[in-house]
Order: sequence, then structure tokens, then C-alpha cells
Amino acid sequence: GDSVTQMEGPVTLSEEAFLTINCTYTATGYPSLFWYVQYPGEGLQLLLKATKADDKGSNKGFEATYRKETTSFHLEKGSVQVSDSAVYFCALPISSGSARQLTFGSGTQLTVLP
Amino acid sequence: DAMVIQNPRYQVTQFGKPVTLSCSQTLNHNVMYWYQQKSSQAPKLLFHYYDKDFNNEADTPDNFQSRRPNTSFCFLDIRSPGLGDAAMYLCATDTGTGAYNEQFFGPGTRLTVL
Repeated sequence: GDSVTQMEGPVTLSEEAFLTINCTYTATGYPSLFWYVQYPGEGLQLLLKATKADDKGSNKGFEATYRKETTSFHLEKGSVQVSDSAVYFCALPISSGSARQLTFGSGTQLTVLP
Repeated sequence: DAMVIQNPRYQVTQFGKPVTLSCSQTLNHNVMYWYQQKSSQAPKLLFHYYDKDFNNEADTPDNFQSRRPNTSFCFLDIRSPGLGDAAMYLCATDTGTGAYNEQFFGPGTRLTVL
């Protein structure tokens, strides 16, 4: 079935370091792909999305490119800040009854040190 | 601002004592979801409503029930909470139409079972 595989965490970086969090997917067809972020004690927020192959989603300095040839949607940021410390989830919508549920990767805990 | 609201943010209950968690939305979305998220794990879908149509995930325990009296509100009832039900419960919504729609999450209710 459709699924996402996310790199094992946690990740600890110094401020202004470069970030990559790997995500690969298995899917029938070409679904949308999402990155969600969860700050401590809060719900999930959509960080960015891509709806078709070669699309690049971007938001708050984060980017991810939907690559069909490698079935990947890696999250990158050129210079992380302490405020980026959070858990990041890659997600894929799959059909579930009458709607589309999200299947999530395992999550990557990012800690950015000053 | 249109949003997804969950009350209460923190709920403490006793082992076996029924508890109800609440979710409301001002987005007028067709679909409402309930996820369970245990510590350091990805959210796991319990069930969802598409309008009044209830869809239960196959592995959701019978102990968990849901009600959606109208478009705006959805409730999660845990009939006899066990220690293993302590978790963050997340409500989410989407339009239910199209292949690209994102889900909008509430801030979550953290349930403690004593």
C-alpha cells in the first residue's frame, strides 16, 4: 500500500546550519505530498506541499521538491534558527472510505542550538 | 480567522471513567478526522466523518466512539479509558473534494489517565 518513509531522528544542528530531512514515498499514481510541522505541545501545521511531479513547495525558508524519478520529497533549509526546533512529518494522502486520510512518516525531531 | 478548535487542551480522567473531547470548526469543511498521537509517534487515524457518514478504521478499539451532531462539531468519546489511552488527540478537517486538499489541524487535547 501507499506509504512514506522518513529518515530516523533526532537531528541536532547549530544555528545557521543547513538542514536536510529525507522522505521517500511509495504510491500508486502521483499523489500530493506534504510536510507538516509540530511545535512542542501543539497540533500539526502544514509547512509546505507539492501537488505534482517536479513541483517545489516552499515556506518560511523551507523547500521540498517532488521528485518522481527518486520517489522523494526531501525537506531542506539553508540556515536553520532556534525557532525551527520542532517535529517534522512527511505525509501522503491515501483513499480511506469516502475521504482521504493522511499517512505520516515517523517524524523527525529537530533541535537547533544557539 | 477560520480555524479548528479543540476543548479542553488538557484533560485528566480516571481509569475507567468516561471522557468526551470536543472539536469545532469554522471552516465549513465536509470532513472531520480524529487522530491519536502517542509520545514520539506519528498521528494515527481513529475515524472520520464525511458529512454524516461515519468511517471507522479497522483497528480502532470499540472503546472509542464519535458523534457529529452538525457540520461544525465533532466529539470523541472514550467509554472506559485505560492507561494506554493516554495520548494527544488531534482533530483535523478538510473539504473532502479534490486530490490536493490539505488537512487543517486543531491544537490537540492531551489526555492523562490516572
